[in-house]
Amino acid sequence: GQQLNQSPQSMFIQEGEDVSMNCTSSSIFNTWLWYKQDPGEGPVLLIALYKAGELTSNGRLTAQFGITRKDSFLNISASIPSDVGIYFCAGQGEETSGSRLTFGEGTQLTVNP
Amino acid sequence: DAGVIQSPRHEVTEMGQEVTLRCKPISGHDYLFWYRQTMMRGLELLIYFNNNVPIDDSGMPEDRFSAKMPNASFSTLKIQPSEPRDSAVYFCASSLSSYNEQFFGPGTRLTVL
Repeated sequence: GQQLNQSPQSMFIQEGEDVSMNCTSSSIFNTWLWYKQDPGEGPVLLIALYKAGELTSNGRLTAQFGITRKDSFLNISASIPSDVGIYFCAGQGEETSGSRLTFGEGTQLTVNP
Repeated sequence: DAGVIQSPRHEVTEMGQEVTLRCKPISGHDYLFWYRQTMMRGLELLIYFNNNVPIDDSGMPEDRFSAKMPNASFSTLKIQPSEPRDSAVYFCASSLSSYNEQFFGPGTRLTVL
């Protein structure tokens, strides 16, 4: 089956620092999605990417859809305490079955004030 | 819109009991997904529906699990009989079409004693 490798698994940073995390896949995707999950809540969509090479920003967040269609990264600039949570990448398309999303293992982000 | 609604938010039951989880998707969304999240296995897709019809149930772990969608605004996931290893957070998500972003509900935390 498909595999998504997300790294790093966890990050501990100081408030104000920039953060970068990425996902790589063994398969090609048509869509990359980045979600954030707060404790006790469901994942919330941050950014959706639909085209290879696409670079999209949402406030302090920037994500890119890799040219090879097998990878994506998410950057967070000037982190703040409320950025704490688990960040998931998810891919869809090509070899996936219809609407099935494949999720990465998540990156646990801790921001120290 | 209120977003995806799930109930109950928490369920504690004893092994062997029947458990029913409920979901109301976002109005107008044609796709509904049931996921399970555990520390060991991350987010796993159990089953998804398109226009109330089950499309892919390959993620349903065993015959003890069943899901229905009697109409466009309601779905259930039933476990009968429940076992301790079913303890997890179960999420429902919905999307407008097959290649649109999935929006997640807050989840049901299930504990089977």
